[in-house]
Amino acid sequence: QVQLQESGPGLVKPSETLSLTCTVSGGSISSSSYYWGWIRQPPGKGLEWIGSIYYSGSTLYNPSLKSRVTISVDTSKNQFSLKVMSVTAADTAVYYCARLRGAVAPEYWGQGTLVTVSS
Amino acid sequence: EIVLTQSPGTLSLSPGERATLSCRASQSVSSSYLAWYQQKPGQAPRLLIYGTSSRATGIPDRFSGSGSGTDFTLTISRLEPEDFAVYYCQQYGSSLLTFGGGTKVEIK
Repeated sequence: QVQLQESGPGLVKPSETLSLTCTVSGGSISSSSYYWGWIRQPPGKGLEWIGSIYYSGSTLYNPSLKSRVTISVDTSKNQFSLKVMSVTAADTAVYYCARLRGAVAPEYWGQGTLVTVSS
Repeated sequence: EIVLTQSPGTLSLSPGERATLSCRASQSVSSSYLAWYQQKPGQAPRLLIYGTSSRATGIPDRFSGSGSGTDFTLTISRLEPEDFAVYYCQQYGSSLLTFGGGTKVEIK
């Protein structure tokens, strides 16, 4: 069964760039059937989709974050990554990576990683 | 962007009771693109239902989904102790994913 694991700094300073990587095991990120995505959840709040990527590099982004977000894929490492620029306290959240059914619904999720934006 | 509104915000029920959760969309959603998730404290969400009514792998048959257009429902036929959690609906449309605000099912 596919497993996903987020990694990256747990603390980022305001105005800097948040960078996370998702490592996929138990399956190939190059499968033609799936998109791979990032979703976040501020403490005590609901879920927000950030964006998704296909193994070819084709991306979909949440319009509210698109100007600050880049998602990329490294098929040789079976990983995909997230960068969020110019972060503020509002970007503090648990960040999840996930494999989607097609482009439609996150089906397998990582355990999530808390990223705090603070000086 | 399609906005999903879930109701009620909190549902207080006893084990063994039936739970009915509502998800209303601001525009019509394709039945193929409506999903439901369960989230317990400190855990990642778990996909329960996709395509409005198809259960994901390993999901017990007490969970069922229905609906069309702008109105969708998740039903838990008989609540088990492990079902008390927060539930989210989610849709895909115009190359965007959006989630509802969630319904908390708590023990009465």
